[in-house]
Amino acid sequence: AQRVTQPEKLLSVFKGAPVELKCNYSYSGSPELFWYVQYSRQRLQLLLRHISRESIKGFTADLNKGETSFHLKKPFAQEEDSAMYYCALSNNAGNMLTFGGGTRLMVKP
Amino acid sequence: GAGVSQTPSNKVTEKGKYVELRCDPISGHTALYWYRQSLGQGPEFLIYFQGTGAADDSGLPNDRFFAVRPEGSVSTLKIQRTERGDSAVYLCASSGDTDTQYFGPGTRLTVL
Repeated sequence: AQRVTQPEKLLSVFKGAPVELKCNYSYSGSPELFWYVQYSRQRLQLLLRHISRESIKGFTADLNKGETSFHLKKPFAQEEDSAMYYCALSNNAGNMLTFGGGTRLMVKP
Repeated sequence: GAGVSQTPSNKVTEKGKYVELRCDPISGHTALYWYRQSLGQGPEFLIYFQGTGAADDSGLPNDRFFAVRPEGSVSTLKIQRTERGDSAVYLCASSGDTDTQYFGPGTRLTVL
């Protein structure tokens, strides 16, 4: 069975501080990992996916198969980064996402 | 273009009643997904359609839940004999060639 764990329900940092949102997964196959973000009063939207190996809004995430992790990082947090962040795993068929419980990021001025 | 839309945005019903939740996917997207998000949790997969057929319904919690997509576009999630535990936000998503899932705003269902 596939499972995604986000150990922190809430992460609070000051503007300009580094941010790391943790995500660990368990999956028997070759995983495809995603980060989704939900800003206040907006719908869930894709932030980035590991196969793209891109940086979106200054965020990056590296898949570490040895540690089964896909942590989301940003060197300097901005107030507009405040949102709910969900880590998700896709099965081999790519037809369903398994989500973690989410982490609320609050960036204080 | 227009994104995924869901109606109604809010639905309040009484225990034991029947409800229907509607999803309009992005035009041209062949894949459609339903998820359920309970308070304080991440979304949980319910069912996936490829075209008109339900390719994976392994996430439906029991036989009170059923979904259709008769013409391969709009989908309806149907819940019979609603229970208080069915209260949640029901999310719909669709995907096209890139398989990136685009989510709708959700329907908040409250069962009294």
